[in-house]
Amino acid sequence: ELKVEQNPLFLSMQEGKNYTIYCNYSTTSDRLYWYRQDPGKSLESLFVLLSNGAVKQEGRLMASLDTKARLSTLHITAAVHDLSATYFCAVAHAGGTSYGKLTFGQGTILTVHP
Amino acid sequence: SAVISQKPSRDICQRGTSLTIQCQVDSQVTMMFWYRQQPGQSLTLIATANQGSEATYESGFVIDKFPISRPNLTFSTLTVSNMSPEDSSIYLCSAVGNHLGAPNRQFFGPGTRLTVL
Repeated sequence: ELKVEQNPLFLSMQEGKNYTIYCNYSTTSDRLYWYRQDPGKSLESLFVLLSNGAVKQEGRLMASLDTKARLSTLHITAAVHDLSATYFCAVAHAGGTSYGKLTFGQGTILTVHP
Repeated sequence: SAVISQKPSRDICQRGTSLTIQCQVDSQVTMMFWYRQQPGQSLTLIATANQGSEATYESGFVIDKFPISRPNLTFSTLTVSNMSPEDSSIYLCSAVGNHLGAPNRQFFGPGTRLTVL
């Protein structure tokens, strides 16, 4: 059974600081997603990581994937208030009849303070 | 990116009643899914909506409680049957497929916020 663990679950940051959210998963997968969710809103797709060593960057967010360690990271650089949201990682089940199914991490609630 | 719409966006229902949620994608997709997000929680997969055949349910979810239809490649419905307050959640439709103009991306609809009294 695929399990996905995120940490930390709560993250309070000062503006301008850097921090990393970690996502560990238990079984082999070929895709890992990062999503953002604002209060009362749906999920916004941030990144999809497909291969070992993949690194994607968008603005102050950078995601990476280490398939051997079954670990993905979401690094936040010089945080700003607008980044306050809940961040989820989601791991795709291996192919066949499970194609497209996602198991989500618990989510990390990020709050950026002035 | 794909546009996924859901109706209704929210509803307040009495226990014992049923609600059908509609999901429409603006392009043909390979796979459609239904997820539930209970208050303050992460997302849990309910089922895979299979086009032209019965949905495939995850452990803990059954067809009698959550009947699903997918009559074509762009539309699906989820019914929450015989509702109880424990069914109060956000229900989200999701789609994936190369038709979405972004291979390997998986998109989510805006969600239906259900409150059961």
